[in-house]
Amino acid sequence: GQNIDQPTEMTATEGAIVQINCTYQTSGFNGLFWYQQHAGEAPTFLSYNVLDGLEEKGRFSSFLSRSKGYSYLLLKELQMKDSASYLCAVSKNAGNNRKLIWGLGTSLAVNP
Amino acid sequence: DAGVIQSPRHEVTEMGQEVTLRCKPISGHNSLFWYRQTMMRGLELLIYFNNNVPIDDSGMPEDRFSAKMPNASFSTLKIQPSEPRDSAVYFCASSRQGVHQPQHFGDGTRLSIL
Repeated sequence: GQNIDQPTEMTATEGAIVQINCTYQTSGFNGLFWYQQHAGEAPTFLSYNVLDGLEEKGRFSSFLSRSKGYSYLLLKELQMKDSASYLCAVSKNAGNNRKLIWGLGTSLAVNP
Repeated sequence: DAGVIQSPRHEVTEMGQEVTLRCKPISGHNSLFWYRQTMMRGLELLIYFNNNVPIDDSGMPEDRFSAKMPNASFSTLKIQPSEPRDSAVYFCASSRQGVHQPQHFGDGTRLSIL
């Protein structure tokens, strides 16, 4: 089977650091995406990890461990505008094609 | 550059009516995706096309749903007949090639079936 788990909700304080975890169980793993979705808006791409390790992009970093089926998104120097839902999505092989399986998202509230 | 364009932005209609959602992907993108998003089920892939050909339609709920992509710049998602449980936000997204590249989403169509 295939399963993606993320915490449903998280709360953090402006200026702090927050880590949003994503665990997955799937065969034929290809890579893992993180998307940000503000309330009432469309998802927007944040990062894509294929190999193990940390990818840094400004205040946001994403980590992947393929052997552990684990990823996290690290948000530094939190700002109020970072309040949003963060979606983890796994790309996997499916026959001759690939599928993208989405988690339900983690709703992050940044408080002053 | 124009992003993915969806229409209409909002649709309210009575059950039993036909609903047609439209999407124009980003020029040069070869893959197009239709999603449905609800609070309970999150983001669900309905169907995706590669070079105008449907690749994976396993997420299409039932025969009431159909999708077409007659050319590289236009796709439709139809629901006929519509039911109240179809109420959701429907997103269209495109990528340069396949699911392993970042997807760019349209603003979505908020569909309410009364």
